[in-house]
Amino acid sequence: EVQLVESGGGLVQPGGSLRLSCAASGFIFSSYWMSWVRQAPGKGLEWVANINQPGNEKNYVDSVKGRFTISRDNAKNSLYLQMNSLRAEDTGVYYCVSFRLGWGQGTLVTVSS
Amino acid sequence: DIVMTQTPLSLSVTPGQPASISCKSSQSLLHSDGKTYLFWYLQRPGQSVQLLMYEVSNRFSGVPDRFSGSGSGTDFTLKISRLEAEDVGVYYCMQTIQIPHTFGQGTKLEIK
Repeated sequence: EVQLVESGGGLVQPGGSLRLSCAASGFIFSSYWMSWVRQAPGKGLEWVANINQPGNEKNYVDSVKGRFTISRDNAKNSLYLQMNSLRAEDTGVYYCVSFRLGWGQGTLVTVSS
Repeated sequence: DIVMTQTPLSLSVTPGQPASISCKSSQSLLHSDGKTYLFWYLQRPGQSVQLLMYEVSNRFSGVPDRFSGSGSGTDFTLKISRLEAEDVGVYYCMQTIQIPHTFGQGTKLEIK
């Protein structure tokens, strides 16, 4: 069974940083592109970033370019999202996703003073 | 960016009756590899998101056969042949042919 378990969310002040982690199991993690998707409170889904299997190709939505960095450690079956210079509009639930396999339960990030 | 437009945005259906959701993309989702990169997802109330269909019409493992997907190019449809109570939630279409990947606005399906 595919499992994706996010961690690292929390309350942070504007301008602060957070690092999200995702532990993957139940599939060959190193064989799949992985993504982060977020959902603002009461809103729809927004793709944030993705990374290819070896980790040398990364893409971002324009609103997070230069502030967020996606990475992975295939030896640890883990996906990461380093979030810097956080803004109020970054508030939401962040999901770790393999679009062909499944979604995690999400971790809540709240950016507020 | 590819814009994904879903209709209707809300739907109320009697159990046992069919339901249909349309998704239109602003550009073709047909890739040169012959695949069409259109997915359908369901978010049940208070829950995470689950995959229903990939590449337009392929049901994901465990998805009941009352769900079907069709379409090509820029026009796609998700159909539920006989609605059950567990089908309530918000349905999203999504494209992965181009960066940024984009979702439709979501269609909220309720039981009448």
